[in-house]
Amino acid sequence: EVQLVESGGGLVQPGGSLRLSCAASGFTFSDYWVDWVRQAPGKGLEWVANIEPDGSGKYYVDSVKGRFTISRDNAKNSLYLQMNSLRAEDTAVYFCARNRGWFSLDLWGQGTLVTVSS
Amino acid sequence: QSALTQPPSASGSPGQSVTISCTGSSSDVGAYNYVSWYQQHPGKAPKLIIYEVTKRPSGVPDRFSGSKSGNTASLTVSGLQADDEADYYCASFRVSRVFGGGTKLTVL
Repeated sequence: EVQLVESGGGLVQPGGSLRLSCAASGFTFSDYWVDWVRQAPGKGLEWVANIEPDGSGKYYVDSVKGRFTISRDNAKNSLYLQMNSLRAEDTAVYFCARNRGWFSLDLWGQGTLVTVSS
Repeated sequence: QSALTQPPSASGSPGQSVTISCTGSSSDVGAYNYVSWYQQHPGKAPKLIIYEVTKRPSGVPDRFSGSKSGNTASLTVSGLQADDEADYYCASFRVSRVFGGGTKLTVL
């Protein structure tokens, strides 16, 4: 089955760290850009970061630059998001999504909830 | 980075058509033919319904159509059905990718 499955979300204190994972199956993961998109409770979608198929290029929204790091392991068909110095405003459901090109996200995971609170 | 501008809400009766607009700038919507649209039901992941302004992924009904004029893209849903009631988001390729703020479509 073609799918993406996120994991790693949870409750973390402000200033803390969390690492999200996204496991891909059913397609050639190494052929695709992959993105992280988040959605704060009751709010709209916000693009967070993406990464080129070979991992050479990584791009971020300004609000997470220097705090979040996107990476991938094509041998394990996995995408990661290392989140450091977390803030309350990072609280959201985080989705990973396959990028068919030019920011057309054609396959999404179910999302994982990150809550930043003391 | 500012989000693309969408109306917060839209509505129509079953069988009618409704159009949702998405206004950007000459740096995103106006610059590229890479506008996509997503449908999101409550508690679910978004689903791609239109990409590259007018193209539909396999399995998406032809009741959904997209267009663009200048800096504004549009999504039209024809023959409204109850299951079309959802949130709709536009997105555009640009240096830093951007989504619209979302439109809640209500089927009356």
